Amino acid sequence: DIVMTQSPDSLAVSLGERATINCRSSQSVLYSSNNKNYLAWYQHKPRQPPKLLIYWASTRESGVPDRFSGSGSGTDFTLTISSLQAEDVAVYYCQQYYSTTAFGPGTKVEIK
Amino acid sequence: QVQLVQSGAEVKKPGSSVKVSCKASGGTFSSYAFSWVRQAPGQGLEWMGRIIPILDIANYAQKFQGRVTITADKSTNTAYMELSSLRSEDTAIYYCAGDSLAARLFDYWGQGTLVTVSS
Repeated sequence: DIVMTQSPDSLAVSLGERATINCRSSQSVLYSSNNKNYLAWYQHKPRQPPKLLIYWASTRESGVPDRFSGSGSGTDFTLTISSLQAEDVAVYYCQQYYSTTAFGPGTKVEIK
Repeated sequence: QVQLVQSGAEVKKPGSSVKVSCKASGGTFSSYAFSWVRQAPGQGLEWMGRIIPILDIANYAQKFQGRVTITADKSTNTAYMELSSLRSEDTAIYYCAGDSLAARLFDYWGQGTLVTVSS
């Protein structure tokens, strides 16, 4: 099974500053036949279901603000919030969907 | 665009079973697969299993094999998750999540169902 890890566990960022979350998979999630990384990012706020933000490692879901961006390939990935807004306070999860599926442990983002 | 509405909160005794439903509307039921994802208090998201209604095929996370059964009723556009031999550690919010079959990308989510296991 592919195991997902994230770092840091939590981070506090000032409004308007950049937040960076890292995700690593225990094996590559890059499918060579289509050159796609089977990696997604979700935002989860209290008392709401999770929301898909990014898929194929770097494609933003429709309606997701462009301050959210994803990068990386193979086993190492990053979610960046370029200018943190108050409404971005949440837990962020990476998910691999290369082999069945699994979520990372989550990164809590707070305002400093 | 499919909407998913789940059944209400449940309180169960240890050793019993719970069955949670997830009714889909606004889309073609057979165009989707439905997974169940849970979140225990203070914990992260945990995928439990998935069903493809058009094939009536389900697969499960190894952790839950033998204890979870995911089914779908195409006549009512409803997916179900039954978890047996409940223990206190199964106290969690259970979400159904839909994907459009091409990949396990969860575009659609139910509102969540709190299952509390307590004696």
